[in-house]
Amino acid sequence: QVHLQESGPGLVKPSEALSLTCAVSGESISSACWWTWVRQSPGKGLEWIGEIYHSGTTNYNPSLKTPVTISVDKSKNEFSLKLESVTAADTAVYYCARQVVVGGAVDWFESWGQGTLVIVSS
Amino acid sequence: EIVLTQSPATLSVSPGERATLSCRASQSVDKFLAWYQQKPGQAPRLLIYDASNRATGIPARFSGSGSGTDFTLTISSLEAEDFAVYYCQQRSGWPPDLTFGGGTKVDIK
Repeated sequence: QVHLQESGPGLVKPSEALSLTCAVSGESISSACWWTWVRQSPGKGLEWIGEIYHSGTTNYNPSLKTPVTISVDKSKNEFSLKLESVTAADTAVYYCARQVVVGGAVDWFESWGQGTLVIVSS
Repeated sequence: EIVLTQSPATLSVSPGERATLSCRASQSVDKFLAWYQQKPGQAPRLLIYDASNRATGIPARFSGSGSGTDFTLTISSLEAEDFAVYYCQQRSGWPPDLTFGGGTKVDIK
């Protein structure tokens, strides 16, 4: 069974970069699925940030105001998120997740990490 | 971007009663809609995918229906563990348009 674990700083200063890593165990990161980041602002709903395939193909939420990069490290079986120049609006619980084709046509969020809270404050 | 509107925002239900949650899409998503359950301090859990298919291990009291723009999640007889927030989600097109609804909180009446 796949297990995902987020790691990274819990506090980031405004205008600095936010970097998080998701360690994947129980499955190769080269498997046929989208490795994804989702965030949830305090008391709010879920927001898709973006995703990466093991080939390196990425898709990002065009509504995000903060520049985002998602990358994968096959040697470590992990993938990472970087948000440039964050603001208080980027304060959220960040989840890494796996999307897989469950029914045959579309990828759904089948596994999630426990989430990590990142606060943007000086 | 496809907007998913969930209603009601809060649903107060007694244990053993039926709960009906709605999700409306701003344009057709065919049958490609999923439902997730989220409890406080936990990550979401996939309940229903492709509008009406239960995910592995999900009890039969959870059912989904709908297609196009109107979808429903029904919990036939609420148990204590079902009080949570429920989100709908769609993924469509390429590059993908992936959005979540705003959520419906099911609390104890």
